[in-house]
Amino acid sequence: EAGVAQSPRYKIIEKRQSVAFWCNPISGHATLYWYQQILGQGPKLLIQFQNNGVVDDSQLPKDRFSAERLKGVDSTLKIQPAKLEDSAVYLCASSSGLAVANEQFFGPGTRLTVL
Amino acid sequence: SQQGEEDPQALSIQEGENATMNCSYKTSINNLQWYRQNSGRGLVHLILIRSNEREKHSGRLRVTLDTSKKSSSLLITASRAADTASYFCAARAGNMLTFGGGTRLMVKP
Repeated sequence: EAGVAQSPRYKIIEKRQSVAFWCNPISGHATLYWYQQILGQGPKLLIQFQNNGVVDDSQLPKDRFSAERLKGVDSTLKIQPAKLEDSAVYLCASSSGLAVANEQFFGPGTRLTVL
Repeated sequence: SQQGEEDPQALSIQEGENATMNCSYKTSINNLQWYRQNSGRGLVHLILIRSNEREKHSGRLRVTLDTSKKSSSLLITASRAADTASYFCAARAGNMLTFGGGTRLMVKP
């Protein structure tokens, strides 16, 4: 079974530029998550989708971050404009549903460096 | 804010020794999960313990949960060099899974 795919794996941009990350979850997984992991810290949830609807985006900095999952499968996360403190690994995860026992499967992440 | 706090932040042991990592959390939870992250890679789910369970085993892993103290521990027995990684606890409450800061484990051959 193919895992969660993310691209690109690495991205270097200058502050105030825009960047977009792409995620393809495991086939059939209804729930998709985006996490931000700053170096030396644990992942922090940014946004959670159930199919193409947002379940929770309370920790998403909405002035600069946006995410969509238009057809309930792939998702994109965008940062516009980027700040230095956005340098982090952006992890995408998926699970079969919202049930509390459902395991989340993580992609390899996109490492963003903002100069 | 992070739900879990982990202790120690870093741990270095010899191959064959046991490694114990502790996690504390703040609110009531549905379950407590442990993940491993190798350098430069994504997170891998290790084990889940429900809020009504006190201990769970999986291979060389043993997890305990004390809901009265809002704490959990992960024990890795007979460690191997391949166990070198960062280990994160994650507390599940409702729809949210909130991670701790992690313990960086180094197992020396």
